[in-house]
Order: sequence, then C-alpha cells, then structure tokens
Amino acid sequence: TQLLEQSPQFLSIQEGENLTVYCNSSSVFSSLQWYRQEPGEGPVLLVTVVTGGEVKKLKRLTFQFGDARKDSSLHITAAQPGDTGLYLCAGAGSGGGADGLTFGKGTHLIIQP
Amino acid sequence: GAGVSQSPRYKVTKRGQDVALRCDPISGHVSLYWYRQALGQGPEFLTYFNYEAQQDKSGLPNDRFSAERPEGSISTLTIQRTEQRDSAMYRCASSLGPFEWEAFFGQGTRLTVV
Repeated sequence: TQLLEQSPQFLSIQEGENLTVYCNSSSVFSSLQWYRQEPGEGPVLLVTVVTGGEVKKLKRLTFQFGDARKDSSLHITAAQPGDTGLYLCAGAGSGGGADGLTFGKGTHLIIQP
Repeated sequence: GAGVSQSPRYKVTKRGQDVALRCDPISGHVSLYWYRQALGQGPEFLTYFNYEAQQDKSGLPNDRFSAERPEGSISTLTIQRTEQRDSAMYRCASSLGPFEWEAFFGQGTRLTVV
C-alpha cells in the first residue's frame, strides 16, 4: 500500500499571507495530482505533475513535484478567502494510471478575511 | 450525462440489510474508481475497473463488499449485511483511460446504517 502523508492537517491564516502545504511518501509515483474539495462536493482536479522536479503554476498556486517523484508541495501566494477548502494530493502508482489513485488525508485550509 | 452520476444521494438502512450503490460514469470513460470518504478526510481507495474488468479490489474492507461493472459502463457497489461502521460517503470517479490521470468525481452517496 502506497501512503501519502499531507501536512499540515489544518491551517488557518489571514487573507494576503503566503502558505505551503506538503505531500510526502516513501513510494515513487508516476504522477501526482492535487485536488481541491469543497463541502458537499467531490474533489476537483487542480493540476497533475509528472516529471521529477516539475513546477506548474496556476494563477497564485505553484505546484512542485520532487526530483525523486516521492513528494510534492503546493504554495499559495497572497491567499484569499476563496482558497478555503480541503486540499488533497493523490498519487498514481508505478503502473501509471493502471493503479487506483491513492489519496492523502488532506489539508484543511481556512483563509480568514 | 455531463458528469459522474451517483444514486441514491442518501441512503439510510438498517443494520443487517444489503445495499446497492450505483455509479454512472462520464460517457466514454474507460476507468472507474470507487472510494469511501470519512468526514474531513481524503478518499480511501476501494476498487477500480478498466472497462468491465476489475483491476484492483485490494481496498475493499472485507468480503461483504463487492463491485461489478458488467458492461463496462455503469457500476454497482454492493454491501451485504451492513454494519454501522459502513456508514460513510461513498464516491465514484471516472477517467478517460488507465493512463489518463484526471479523475472526475460524482457527488457521492451518503450511507447511514442505523
């Protein structure tokens, strides 16, 4: 079983601050995804990273895949209340998409106005 | 349909009864996943299909849980002799294919066993 650990579990910050959340594993993944989930809804994909060392930017969000493809980080610049939600990372195994996606337990992010 | 559809949205059942949860994936999506999600936690993998073939059922908690996708489209997750600990949100997701990593999730079925 491939485990993904996310940290911190909970984070509450003021609007305008920067933050980083982490996703770590002892396993190598062929790809890693970040999802955002709002209450009552299913997770929605933000980004997929595939190559070790890859950095992707989505407006104020920056995603990085570790060189060894075992970990990833999500950095949010100038956080806004609309960023509030549960952020989940998910890894696809060495079989590519042929394995089920393994999810971390998530980081609950609250941005206070 | 436009998205992944799950039914029922809510199910309350008595302990010991069997339940069947349905997932209708996005048309043309080859891969279908079942997850169970506790409140405030990430989805826990249950099982996974490519077309009608069950690729991995290692996440099913015990033999009371089973899933099928006989025609490679709609899938049913069945829980026999339900127990209170089975109460959870059950989510289905689909993706274009086994190497298409974006998974689209349904809104889930909230199962409550009383």
